[in-house]
Amino acid sequence: DQQVKQNSPSLSVQEGRISILNCDYTNSMFDYFLWYKKYPAEGPTFLISISSIKDKNEDGRFTVFLNKSAKHLSLHIVPSQPGDSAVYFCAASASGDALNFGKGTSLLVTP
Amino acid sequence: DAGVIQSPRHEVTEMGQEVTLRCKPISGHNSLFWYRQTMMRGLELLIYFNNNVPIDDSGMPEDRFSAKMPNASFSTLKIQPSEPRDSAVYFCASLPPGGELFFGEGSRLTVL
Repeated sequence: DQQVKQNSPSLSVQEGRISILNCDYTNSMFDYFLWYKKYPAEGPTFLISISSIKDKNEDGRFTVFLNKSAKHLSLHIVPSQPGDSAVYFCAASASGDALNFGKGTSLLVTP
Repeated sequence: DAGVIQSPRHEVTEMGQEVTLRCKPISGHNSLFWYRQTMMRGLELLIYFNNNVPIDDSGMPEDRFSAKMPNASFSTLKIQPSEPRDSAVYFCASLPPGGELFFGEGSRLTVL
């Protein structure tokens, strides 16, 4: 059963606007959350992470927000750029266990 | 560093054949993971090793799948016999102590 859910398989955003990718999880023991980015024919690469003691982590144009009570996290990209077009995977783990990934959201940023 | 190296990058085989996927993790990384990516299920964890010891293989679909890590620099994932539903991209990833997961470029398997 999927413990990490990305309910939007795809998202299209105009260049310069904000992209918001959402992720929900079911396991209340998860304490570490990450976003990975994947281009075609490449492996996923680490983008940004957040631990459960924080509710926000920012790295340049990328910000991850965590709402523990709602078991929800989101990735904000602002401003979006065409090079951000990729599949974004949400992942979570509990106490250093292996990462559980969502199915991914394909982001397309149009010029 | 060359990163996580997987081979083959592409494999096309017929149902019933044995398939062996190989992975060389990044030197110094003490954990290794095998994931499978499909459209239906996204990235699924199959098995992971810590210091060459299998820790959790609950994600291995069935007895047709087996994985080994004979030393710190090499791992294999074997499917015998292969079936069309095994068609997917198989990723190997390695993890340094206290760091983040690094993925290989994947092995795309097609079973006809």
